[in-house]
Amino acid sequence: GENVEQHPSTLSVQEGDSAVIKCTYSDSASNYFPWYKQELGKRPQLIIDIRSNVGEKKDQRIAVTLNKTAKHFSLHITETQPEDSAVYFCAASKSSGGYQKVTFGTGTKLQVIP
Amino acid sequence: GAVVSQHPSRVICKSGTSVKIECRSLDFQATTMFWYRQFPKQSLMLMATSNEGSKATYEQGVEKDKFLINHASLTLSTLTVTSAHPEDSSFYICSASGSRVLNTGELFFGEGSRLTVL
Repeated sequence: GENVEQHPSTLSVQEGDSAVIKCTYSDSASNYFPWYKQELGKRPQLIIDIRSNVGEKKDQRIAVTLNKTAKHFSLHITETQPEDSAVYFCAASKSSGGYQKVTFGTGTKLQVIP
Repeated sequence: GAVVSQHPSRVICKSGTSVKIECRSLDFQATTMFWYRQFPKQSLMLMATSNEGSKATYEQGVEKDKFLINHASLTLSTLTVTSAHPEDSSFYICSASGSRVLNTGELFFGEGSRLTVL
């Protein structure tokens, strides 16, 4: 099955600096890569996603890059703010039995220091 | 986006009792719902996938007789933790995908349910 690895597990940055989280996946059939932000005790929220036919996508301060050949994708947050502090999960998804099966990474706890 | 509601948000029960958690898609028909378990400071681990009107597909290592999943309608799936034990204490969260979102793969999560077994 799919295996998604995520690094680092924790990340501390100064407010205004950039944060980068990296993930790798193992199954070349995965074709959809969402990123979720989860605050303590709350549900994961989709912040950005990318499909396998695109190499890069940007939404304001958040960008994601995908390298299909190397099977890795990354999340970039620029001009970080304290409210960006949360746990971020990457995921890899592929079609399986009529639905998309999603495998999550292990998570990165981001702390933005004011 | 699509709205998924999960209830209860918190439940405390005695060891040996059963607990039912509901997951509802409020504004779309969820052909597929997923149940995850999340331990503190860990990732979401898929427990099972349920399709409306058919038996759930459980992930390896998940006891289907202990975690009963029912997806009787296109808007409701339930997870029942039977004969709960303290080690079942965890954060359980559901997600749904359905025709409304054109099966893009995007998941919509419920609020989660924190189960504490005494």
